[in-house]
Amino acid sequence: KQEVTQIPAALSVPEGENLVLNCSFTDSAIYNLQWFRQDPGKGLTSLLLIQSSQREQTSGRLNASLDKSSGRSTLYIAASQPGDSATYLCAVKRNNAGNMLTFGGGTRLMVKP
Amino acid sequence: DTEVTQTPKHLVMGMTNKKSLKCEQHMGHRAMYWYKQKAKKPPELMFVYSYEKLSINESVPSRFSPECPNSSLLNLHLHALQPEDSALYLCASSPRGRAEGTQYFGPGTRLLVL
Repeated sequence: KQEVTQIPAALSVPEGENLVLNCSFTDSAIYNLQWFRQDPGKGLTSLLLIQSSQREQTSGRLNASLDKSSGRSTLYIAASQPGDSATYLCAVKRNNAGNMLTFGGGTRLMVKP
Repeated sequence: DTEVTQTPKHLVMGMTNKKSLKCEQHMGHRAMYWYKQKAKKPPELMFVYSYEKLSINESVPSRFSPECPNSSLLNLHLHALQPEDSALYLCASSPRGRAEGTQYFGPGTRLLVL
């Protein structure tokens, strides 16, 4: 059974810092890995999707990497801003699992002005 | 139109009530999903519809009854719910039943069962 873990569970940083969020998964037979952002009481917004054959994806100040063999992904946020405050969730899609996603517990990020 | 819409945004219901949640997308996606999310927890998959047919039911109690009337609409009928069913209910869609791409999520319906 695939298990996805995110560390840290919560993070508070001053504005302007670069930061790294971590995601690990137990079964390396994944189809892709996705990072989402969720604001309190809201739905999920997809940030980046990395196919299993890819090593990283970039969008603006965000960079996500994937090391499938070691079961790890990181989300790097450059020059953090208060507007980045939210919960960040990673989710993996397993091979041969239809389109089911297994989510990590999330990292709650607070960027202080 | 690149969004998933959900109605209502908020719902309060008693344990004897019958209500329905609605989800709609006009992106031509052929897979649609219901998730349940408790506070400070990740979303948990409930149902998957692929090409308007139920393909996955994650052992959800029968008091939750999904329906997919057409490729754009997904309903979740609620009956005789319990207070522990209070949660954020999220709908999502993706291009194909076994899509490689992103799942697009709606804003959710926040349900309170009294």
